[in-house]
Amino acid sequence: QKEVEQDPGPLSVPEGAIVSLNCTYSNSAFQYFMWYRQYSRKGPELLMYTYSSGNKEDGRFTAQVDKSSKYISLFIRDSQPSDSATYLCALSSGTYKYIFGTGTRLKVLA
Amino acid sequence: KAGVTQTPRYLIKTRGQQVTLSCSPISGHRSVSWYQQTPGQGLQFLFEYFSETQRNKGNFPGRFSGRQFSNSRSEMNVSTLELGDSALYLCASSSRDRGVYEQYFGPGTRLTVT
Repeated sequence: QKEVEQDPGPLSVPEGAIVSLNCTYSNSAFQYFMWYRQYSRKGPELLMYTYSSGNKEDGRFTAQVDKSSKYISLFIRDSQPSDSATYLCALSSGTYKYIFGTGTRLKVLA
Repeated sequence: KAGVTQTPRYLIKTRGQQVTLSCSPISGHRSVSWYQQTPGQGLQFLFEYFSETQRNKGNFPGRFSGRQFSNSRSEMNVSTLELGDSALYLCASSSRDRGVYEQYFGPGTRLTVT
């Protein structure tokens, strides 16, 4: 079993839709949870990170962590075509080693 | 502030050869991590350096090695290349002062092994 599971997509949604991206994990030692966005031919860029359980909001993005279910989510409100990218979750137990999901490809249609 | 730079951007090598990739972190960042990205396995952690010391290592064979210089620039070396080493190699830097979880990635080096 992989430490982190993420649906590869592609996920296609119309412009303005609410997008839900998810990852599940198996190691309860993970304490730090991050979401990265990667455009084609670019390196990943950090969108948000959260510590432990709870929600964190930043503009149109909301990150949610449910440690009891070992489930993390990223919600994008009012999605735009410019949000079309691959979204990667990343988890860390507090060391400098990160475990990444394989990424979900998102397409927002104008 | 300039971002993370990686050279070269593209590389084609043949099996059995060796390759060296270079990464220059954001000015002031002392932590540099390396990742391998492939369609099937996603982003996999190779190793992380801080102040010229390797602090963490992923589960890769000894053919993969790295080092960091006193100016924080880092190099990654892969010896005896195999077809399966074809991947995008990404370097990320972070500033310990801002929190290690804010990693900034470079554009990557696309390595093709034939």
